[in-house]
Amino acid sequence: QSVLTQPPSASGTPGQRVSISCSGNNSNIGTYHVYWYQQLPGTAPKLLVYRNNQRSSGVPDRFSGSKSGTSASLAISGLRSEDEADYHCAAWDGSLNGPVFGGGTKLTVL
Amino acid sequence: DVQLWESGGGFIQPGGSVRLSCATSGFTFNIYAMSWIRQAPGKGLEWVSTLSGRGTTYSAASLKGRFTISRDNSKNTVYLEMNNLRGEDTAIYYCAKVRVDQQADFDYWGQGTLVTVSS
Repeated sequence: QSVLTQPPSASGTPGQRVSISCSGNNSNIGTYHVYWYQQLPGTAPKLLVYRNNQRSSGVPDRFSGSKSGTSASLAISGLRSEDEADYHCAAWDGSLNGPVFGGGTKLTVL
Repeated sequence: DVQLWESGGGFIQPGGSVRLSCATSGFTFNIYAMSWIRQAPGKGLEWVSTLSGRGTTYSAASLKGRFTISRDNSKNTVYLEMNNLRGEDTAIYYCAKVRVDQQADFDYWGQGTLVTVSS
């Protein structure tokens, strides 16, 4: 059972916009920055978005992050086949004194 | 270029021990915290432990002290000593560089090393 809650799956067709949610509480998302990681099949996770809405170097502006209260979301516009991956949200948790992750969302491009 | 590469994984019997290594290059190792994060087959990411550049350690309470993180700044390497291993410890273990302490800010990851705990 992950501390942060993500939908297990999401899907869209090429060109569409999809959004992945991440829900926490005041000990984590409500207080600390949210980070998003992209994990392509068979590879290690890669930092995609940091400090809620900052894109990592080389990440296209089709990817955008946002945070409000104890929830965050990752939006992907102009969906492409190469976006098919698992997406994980994460935040520091002040009560647990460590970072916590969501269970991951598998994005399928139909 | 920043590089991290893990080693030491393999098949371990329940109750056994193993030490994972993560060698690094391309950044000033001794000033950054380093973490271990694991991923059980078909599951999400789970933070294991972090060791700051100044020597402060944070570890997941669920591990109940079975795992110990350490580092050798002269070798730019971080280690994870895992004891009393159980089947639920089967996972890919990734090391990751922490860009900002006390944030979930892992800017570089290794390729991972698989630990399988089975008799």
